[in-house]
This record gives sequence, C-alpha cells and structure tokens, in this order.
Amino acid sequence: GAVVSQHPSWVICKSGTSVKIECRSLDFQATTMFWYRQFPKQSLMLMATSNEGSKATYEQGVEKDKFLINHASLTLSTLTVTSAHPEDSSFYICSARSPGDFYEQYFGPGTRLTVT
Amino acid sequence: GQSLEQPSEVTAVEGAIVQINCTYQTSGFYGLSWYQQHDGGAPTFLSYNGLDGLEETGRFSSFLSRSDSYGYLLLQELQMKDSASYFCALNNAGKSTFGDGTTLTVKP
Repeated sequence: GAVVSQHPSWVICKSGTSVKIECRSLDFQATTMFWYRQFPKQSLMLMATSNEGSKATYEQGVEKDKFLINHASLTLSTLTVTSAHPEDSSFYICSARSPGDFYEQYFGPGTRLTVT
Repeated sequence: GQSLEQPSEVTAVEGAIVQINCTYQTSGFYGLSWYQQHDGGAPTFLSYNGLDGLEETGRFSSFLSRSDSYGYLLLQELQMKDSASYFCALNNAGKSTFGDGTTLTVKP
C-alpha cells in the first residue's frame, strides 16, 4: 500500500513559539492531503483539506491564521502551528489520497505535539 | 452536518466473532469506511462500502444499509492483536467524517 510519513513524530515546544509538521507521500503523488487532530481516546477531527497549488480549505471553527497549511508539491504538505498554546497539545495526523483512490486514505504515523 | 454513532467499548474473547455497529445521519454521502487504530498509532484502512450489502476482506467484513442509515464491521476469529479502536467514517467527495470510535478489547 501507499506510504505516508510525518516529521517529527513528537515535538515539545514552549508556549508562544511556532512548530512545523511535515507530511510526505513517499511512493505516490497526492493532490489532496488532509490534516486531523486527535485528543486522547477521541475521534479524528478534520482540520483542513490541503490541495496542491491552491489554498487549503479549513473546517468550521479552525483558525486558518493559527494553523498554516502549505501544500507546496505533490508529495509534501506542511502544517505550522503558530503561537502555540498548551491547549494546542494534541496528536496531529495527516492523510493523503492517491489519484486512483476515491475513498481510501493513507494515514501518516502522526505527530505528538506538547506545548509547555 | 454529518454525525455517526458507535458503541464506545466492546469486549470479546479470542476466537469469537464480534460486530461493531455504526449508525449515521447525513444528507448525502458516497460510502462508509472502517479504520483500525492501535494505541499511539495511525489509523489503517480496513473496508469500504459504496453500495448496500456485505463486503468481505479476509477475517473482516463490513455491511451497509442506506435505507436504515446503518452499517457494521464484523470481525471473525478474533485475535489478541485485534484489540484496538475501530472507527466508521462517512466518505463524501473524498473527505471523511469519523465516528467517535469503538474500543475493542480481546481477552484470552
């Protein structure tokens, strides 16, 4: 199956700083990537849909100026959490669809963000 | 909007069969997917129903009834490694809305 990687796998940062998370599709080109956050024992909440070469589409209630998404190439999307606060601490997971798949999403391993 | 309901926890013994139900509300969707997630790991795709009926993939089967707004995931010959969280998700134009997940515990 298709492989999606994320970097870093975990990060600790101080309140007020910014953190960048990378999501890469390793063996396929992903025109669309998705960013989710997941709190412990809870569901995956879609934050935004990232489209290569265009602006990301954010879900209702997600601050686009706080969670900056850049889909610079067909294999890379980045999520930058700006001015992080402790309440931003969460598990951030990206997923990607390959052009041939309509419904199957390939998930990255996730990034555990802790803001102190 | 869309919403999905799943039982929060299910327990079964090794070798048994377990069914995880999912009911949903939506104004329209393409299909229902199922994902497995182990603690601390990423979700992995298990099954998809675009049409009503049963889809079988090895030990896992999934069912969808659009008229009843209902689906289920059936796991047969349970193994200890099947202990994980299972999510149903509505697929709409490639975007997915996930249920809250069901934690399956398999006991020896």
